[in-house]
Amino acid sequence: SQTIHQWPATLVQPVGSPLSLECTVEGTSNPNLYWYRQAAGRGLQLLFYSIGIDQISSEVPQNLSASRPQDRQFILSSKKLLLSDSGFYLCAWRSTGATGNTIYFGEGSWLTVV
Amino acid sequence: QQPVQSPQAVILREGEDAVINCSSSKALYSVHWYRQKHGEAPVFLMILLKGGEQKGHEKISASFNEKKQQSSLYLTASQLSYSGTYFCGTGRGGTSYGKLTFGQGTILTVHP
Repeated sequence: SQTIHQWPATLVQPVGSPLSLECTVEGTSNPNLYWYRQAAGRGLQLLFYSIGIDQISSEVPQNLSASRPQDRQFILSSKKLLLSDSGFYLCAWRSTGATGNTIYFGEGSWLTVV
Repeated sequence: QQPVQSPQAVILREGEDAVINCSSSKALYSVHWYRQKHGEAPVFLMILLKGGEQKGHEKISASFNEKKQQSSLYLTASQLSYSGTYFCGTGRGGTSYGKLTFGQGTILTVHP
């Protein structure tokens, strides 16, 4: 079965520091991968999606970047964090099974920028 | 364009029913429903692909009216475990690469 993991689960970073969140998917190959962000008490905003290695598309202009160095690895980064980068970051992958195409989320990473 | 969910919040007692609506101003290919518990990631409930399609999961079911570009989630005889925030995600199909656009969420609270 397919699983998705992301880490770290929680982190507190000072303004101006770098960021790296990592996500890996197991049990599937060449999945579509996504990074979503959820601000406190808000909905889910798509940040990046990837259809393959080194193929990244950004949905909104921001202080973040994404990379996909391997088929099942997706990384969210920032060189200098802003206070507004705080939130719950969710990595997701797309299932293309018989029950239909939908996305499944990882456990999420809580980022607090101080 | 973000779909609009209504109501924003619902408070129920165990055993009561609720309906959560999701409307879009753009044509839809699919509607995906998720439930999120506080501090956790959203969990997939069900997907609706065809106009007029209805699906069920235990006492939770949903409908999708393609012409009206809206979907409704029905929670019957609610249980305490139903509490959480419900999100609808809409898919455009085609070359959208499975991207979903989510509504702002509906907070459902079930009391004993």
